[in-house]
Amino acid sequence: QKEVEQDPGPLSVPEGAIVSLNCTYSNSAFQYFMWYRQYSRKGPELLMYTYSSGNKEDGRFTAQVDKSSKYISLFIRDSQPSDSATYLCAMSKAAGNKLTFGGGTRVLVKP
Amino acid sequence: EAQVTQNPRYLITVTGKKLTVTCSQNMNHEYMSWYRQDPGLGLRQIYYSMNVEVTDKGDVPEGYKVSRKEKRNFPLILESPSPNQTSLYFCASSLFGRTNEKLFFGSGTQLSVL
Repeated sequence: QKEVEQDPGPLSVPEGAIVSLNCTYSNSAFQYFMWYRQYSRKGPELLMYTYSSGNKEDGRFTAQVDKSSKYISLFIRDSQPSDSATYLCAMSKAAGNKLTFGGGTRVLVKP
Repeated sequence: EAQVTQNPRYLITVTGKKLTVTCSQNMNHEYMSWYRQDPGLGLRQIYYSMNVEVTDKGDVPEGYKVSRKEKRNFPLILESPSPNQTSLYFCASSLFGRTNEKLFFGSGTQLSVL
């Protein structure tokens, strides 16, 4: 069983809808949680970073961490076609940069 | 422009023919890392380097070598490539390798080993 599970999608939504993405993990030692966005034929880029439990908001993006359920989420409000990409969750147990990535969810936002 | 540059972008080779994928960053970062990305498996770390002449194994180091002779360069070497090393490879760097730092990725190298 993988340490971090993520539905591969694709998740197809109409423009303007809320995109809801999530990852589950098995190791309770994870404390740092990240979401990366990866466009086709590009490297991933960091979208959101959260430490421990709680919510974090940045513009149209909201990240939630529920450590008791070992579940993290990313919400994209007012989705745009430019949000079409693969979204990868990543997490780390300590302050070093050893990240464990999920497999990624492909998102398609249709105009 | 701050960036991580990988070359080549695409590479087709045959089993056993040694190859090197280059990686260079212009941000004076101490930490550099190599990942491979396979469908459904996400990104898996191959090797990383905390500074010049300091390298360490990641999760999937078998069949790969790295060196860090200069701060800006971190080449990935496949001494005898095999078909199971067909993958999309990414080089990444960050300032000191701490989790709360932004990790900058290159644009990737698509490798096919026949």
